[in-house]
Amino acid sequence: GQQVMQIPQYQHVQEGEDFTTYCNSSTTLSNIQWYKQRPGGHPVFLIQLVKSGEVKKQKRLTFQFGEAKKNSSLHITATQTTDVGTYFCAVHATGTASKLTFGTGTRLQVTL
Amino acid sequence: GAVVSQHPSRVICKSGTSVKIECRSLDFQATTMFWYRQFPKQSLMLMATSNEGSKATYEQGVEKDKFLINHASLTLSTLTVTSAHPEDSSFYICSARGSRGGANVLTFGAGSRLTVL
Repeated sequence: GQQVMQIPQYQHVQEGEDFTTYCNSSTTLSNIQWYKQRPGGHPVFLIQLVKSGEVKKQKRLTFQFGEAKKNSSLHITATQTTDVGTYFCAVHATGTASKLTFGTGTRLQVTL
Repeated sequence: GAVVSQHPSRVICKSGTSVKIECRSLDFQATTMFWYRQFPKQSLMLMATSNEGSKATYEQGVEKDKFLINHASLTLSTLTVTSAHPEDSSFYICSARGSRGGANVLTFGAGSRLTVL
């Protein structure tokens, strides 16, 4: 089946440092979504990328879709403690426009 | 808009009993809802797709007789964990498909943490 791997699994940074998580798919994607899950909470939609090479920004967060549409990255500039949580990429399962397959996730810890 | 309510948020039950979890779309109609399961520090695994008015579609390896899904209306889907055992203890999250800025996204409920003693 479709595999979506994220690296790293976990990262611990000091507030102010940058952070990047990478998402890699075994298949070419039509689009990719990113979600954030705070500790004890539920996933919340962040963004969707559709076009090859697309780059989108949300304040300190920068999302990029690879040229081959098989990978994506999320970069956070100058992390804050509010960025703590697990970041998941998610892709639509092959042949369906509704079922989402989630990546393995990257857990971010930010300390002062 | 696009609010999904899920309850109970936490439930503790004895082994062998059944537990029902409800998922409601509050301000929109959801013909399709999805049930995920998440173990600690792991990703979300899709269990089944709940279709209003028809049978749920289960993912490979998920026992449909153990995890009963009913989607009787456009705003309510329920997941019943039958004859629960300690290995069923997990975080169960429902979601409904909505649209945001043209993107086909999922709105998640707050989740239900099940502990089976």
